[in-house]
Amino acid sequence: NAGVTQTPKFRVLKTGQSMTLLCAQDMNHEYMYWYRQDPGMGLRLIHYSVGEGTTAKGEVPDGYNVSRLKKQNFLLGLESAAPSQTSVYFCASSYQFYNEQFFGPGTRLTVL
Amino acid sequence: GESVGLHLPTLSVQEGDNSIINCAYSNSASDYFIWYKQESGKGPQFIIDIRSNMDKRQGQRVTVLLNKTVKHLSLQIAATQPGDSAVYFCAETGSQGNLIFGKGTKLSVKP
Repeated sequence: NAGVTQTPKFRVLKTGQSMTLLCAQDMNHEYMYWYRQDPGMGLRLIHYSVGEGTTAKGEVPDGYNVSRLKKQNFLLGLESAAPSQTSVYFCASSYQFYNEQFFGPGTRLTVL
Repeated sequence: GESVGLHLPTLSVQEGDNSIINCAYSNSASDYFIWYKQESGKGPQFIIDIRSNMDKRQGQRVTVLLNKTVKHLSLQIAATQPGDSAVYFCAETGSQGNLIFGKGTKLSVKP
């Protein structure tokens, strides 16, 4: 089992560019999440999904979009990147709410 | 609003000593709490969890205590080792069923 994987590991963007972060899990989990982590702060939830074809907004959804076309994949998109989106992005999955969330290794994104 | 905070941002302990990391939460309706460990450059790793119908739960070298009266959560690590050096996050369930993370406590273990 690979668990939760994320691609890419690092990325540098210019302001206004777009990109998609890919998260994949092989644990057959229904729930998937995208967080961002900034220095000195804990993880903040961007968007989440409770199953294939569903998405919902988290604490800080502005500037991001997500899609869950397949149960095992959860994509995070930035349509027009801004310097404020410089952060480390973590994907996680869980069997259900109120359960342990398994995290990926993270994607370090820098927006210039 | 909901919030999860930590009493100390940093904690330094001697190898072999016990460590206690504290966490305060504000949502009295939260019924699930979890501790994560995050090493530098890695994703958070599950340590232990506890539900609100329990006061204490033990794992391997770790114990979580929940005091619902004062809305306080603590993580105790027995015989702390250099490999325990990391940032520790507590989290509680939010109104959407998601986890709300605290800002973290950095644990440093001195050999």
